[in-house]
Amino acid sequence: TQLLEQSPQFLSIQEGENLTVYCNSSSVFSSLQWYRQEPGEGPVLLVTVVTGGEVKKLKRLTFQFGDARKDSSLHITAAQPGDTGLYLCAGDPQKLVFGQGTRLTINP
Amino acid sequence: NAGVMQNPRHLVRRRGQEARLRCSPMKGHSHVYWYRQLPEEGLKFMVYLQKENIIDESGMPKERFSAEFPKEGPSILRIQQVVRGDSAAYFCASSTELGRPDTQYFGPGTRLTVL
Repeated sequence: TQLLEQSPQFLSIQEGENLTVYCNSSSVFSSLQWYRQEPGEGPVLLVTVVTGGEVKKLKRLTFQFGDARKDSSLHITAAQPGDTGLYLCAGDPQKLVFGQGTRLTINP
Repeated sequence: NAGVMQNPRHLVRRRGQEARLRCSPMKGHSHVYWYRQLPEEGLKFMVYLQKENIIDESGMPKERFSAEFPKEGPSILRIQQVVRGDSAAYFCASSTELGRPDTQYFGPGTRLTVL
């Protein structure tokens, strides 16, 4: 069974700070997805990374896929209160395996 | 905006009753996936269906749970004789047969509460 571990599980920082969230596994994934979930809603896809070493940018968010395709990171620059939410990584194209999530709170 | 639709959004059942959760995939999508999310946890895969076929049900509990995706109409996740431990948010996702099958789009979920 492929498992994904996210760290940290909880993160509370001040507006304007930078942060990095990690998603690690001992298994190789053909692709990894990052989702953001708001309370009471379903996950919304942010990005899919496919190639080892791949880096994708989405405004202030930078996503990286590890060279061995076993891990990924999400870096947020100059965090805003609007970035508050649950960030989930997931892998395996069909039967998505999710990490337990990182609950991010950005304080004004 | 024809996104993934789920209904009801909230469902309350007493122990022993049946729960039926419905999912209408995005227009043009023929693949449907069901996931369960317990409070403060990530999503756990339950079942993957295509029209009239169950492709992978490795995440479904062996008893009381069933799923279908008929030729016409929404996909249904059915839970018989619900117990308190079934209380959770159930999410449906869909993807297209063409293009990028690894891109799943999620519905808003059904929150099941068992009293």
